[in-house]
Amino acid sequence: DAGVTQSPTHLIKTRGQQVTLRCSPKSGHDTVSWYQQALGQGPQFIFQYYEEEERQRGNFPDRFSGHQFPNYSSELNVNALLLGDSALYLCASSLGSQETQYFGPGTRLLVL
Amino acid sequence: AQSVTQPDIHITVSEGASLELRCNYSYGATPYLFWYVQSPGQGLQLLLKYFSGDTLVQGIKGFEAEFKRSQSSFNLRKPSVHWSDAAEYFCAVENSGYSTLTFGKGTMLLVSP
Repeated sequence: DAGVTQSPTHLIKTRGQQVTLRCSPKSGHDTVSWYQQALGQGPQFIFQYYEEEERQRGNFPDRFSGHQFPNYSSELNVNALLLGDSALYLCASSLGSQETQYFGPGTRLLVL
Repeated sequence: AQSVTQPDIHITVSEGASLELRCNYSYGATPYLFWYVQSPGQGLQLLLKYFSGDTLVQGIKGFEAEFKRSQSSFNLRKPSVHWSDAAEYFCAVENSGYSTLTFGKGTMLLVSP
């Protein structure tokens, strides 16, 4: 049973560029959430997707957007990258809104 | 708004000694509480969770946690620490209704020989 997978594992971008991160949920899961973990901090919730719609959003600017596909996989897009966007981006999946979240290994983004 | 406080940034424990990591939460209703562990460069692994019922919950790798409503705490314990337990530990509370999580800042556990 495959767990949550994310790609790429590492990414280097420059300020002002755009980036897309990808996530495949655990088999059988239909809900995907994205978190940003800055160095030395706990993860912070960005947004959650269910049935291809953004269901909930944390305190992140509109530069952060996402998408969920019919197979439940998801993308996180960040436009106009800032140095402060450098972080580990974690994807988590769950079955519906009342179940435990399982996390992927993350994508480490470095913005220069 | 809900919040989680982990008062200890770093803790060093001798191998074989007992461990307690502290977690305090702020939440209006009955919380759903979690402990996750993160090894260097890795994602988060669920250790245990509390939804309701018995306030002492057992998790993987010999960990347990006790929910104390009167103290708004959910401390993580292990009777005998192994060197492989060295990692960062995060306490989290579920945000009402949608299974998203609010995390504490984490406690880094160092295990000395």
